[in-house]
Amino acid sequence: DAGVTQSPTHLIKTRGQHVTLRCSPISGHKSVSWYQQVLGQGPQFIFQYYEKEERGRGNFPDRFSARQFPNYSSELNVNALLLGDSALYLCASSLTQGSNTEAFFGQGTRLTVV
Amino acid sequence: AQSVTQLGSHVSVSEGALVLLRCNYSSSVPPYLFWYVQYPNQGLQLLLKYTSAATLVKGINGFEAEFKKSETSFHLTKPSAHMSDAAEYFCAVSPSGGSNYKLTFGKGTLLTVNP
Repeated sequence: DAGVTQSPTHLIKTRGQHVTLRCSPISGHKSVSWYQQVLGQGPQFIFQYYEKEERGRGNFPDRFSARQFPNYSSELNVNALLLGDSALYLCASSLTQGSNTEAFFGQGTRLTVV
Repeated sequence: AQSVTQLGSHVSVSEGALVLLRCNYSSSVPPYLFWYVQYPNQGLQLLLKYTSAATLVKGINGFEAEFKKSETSFHLTKPSAHMSDAAEYFCAVSPSGGSNYKLTFGKGTLLTVNP
C-alpha cells in the first residue's frame, strides 16, 4: 500500500512568489495535517483538515492557507513568500481526527526561498 | 496548552550501550505522548505512543518509554544501541480526548552511535 505522498519533493522559489504543496493521504484516511520543520527544529503544526473542513490551525500568518478535496487529498498554499518560509513541509494523514490515532508522515517537501 | 522539552540536543553512545533520550512535558490536560524518529531526508516514523493505558510503552526496534506523571517525563530508552539507530528523535505531546489532532514537538535530539 502506498504511504503518504507529497509533491514536489524539492522546490526553489523567489521572495514574494506563491507556492502550492500537495499531499495524498493513505487510502481510507480522512484527516490530513500540515507541519513546518525549520532546519534544526521540531515540526510545528500549521493546519488540520478532517472531512474537508478545517479543524485546527496553528500560529501561522494568513499567508498560509490550505484545503482538502473530496478524495481527501490536500493542498497547502503560501503567498508572498519570505526567506523565513524556507523549511521542510510535512504532511501527515490519519484515519480520524482524534489524537490517539497514529499519524503517518510523508517524506516532505523541501522549500527553499531565495 | 502543551509543550515539550527535550534535554540534550545531541547524544552520543557506543554501539551496544544503553540509549536514554530525555523528554519532559507540560500539559494543562491529561496528555497523549509520542516518540518519533527521523532519518536524514525522510519524514517522521512513529516509535511508540502513550494514550493513558499502560505507563510502560514498548515500541518498534526495541525502544520503550515510561510515562511518569509525578515527574512529567516520558524518557525513551533502548538497552543496546545499534548503528542503525543513528537518527534524530522527537518527543511530541497532544491533548487527550480532543477532536483536534495537534502534535506539539520538542526540538529534537540527534543520536550518534559510535562503533
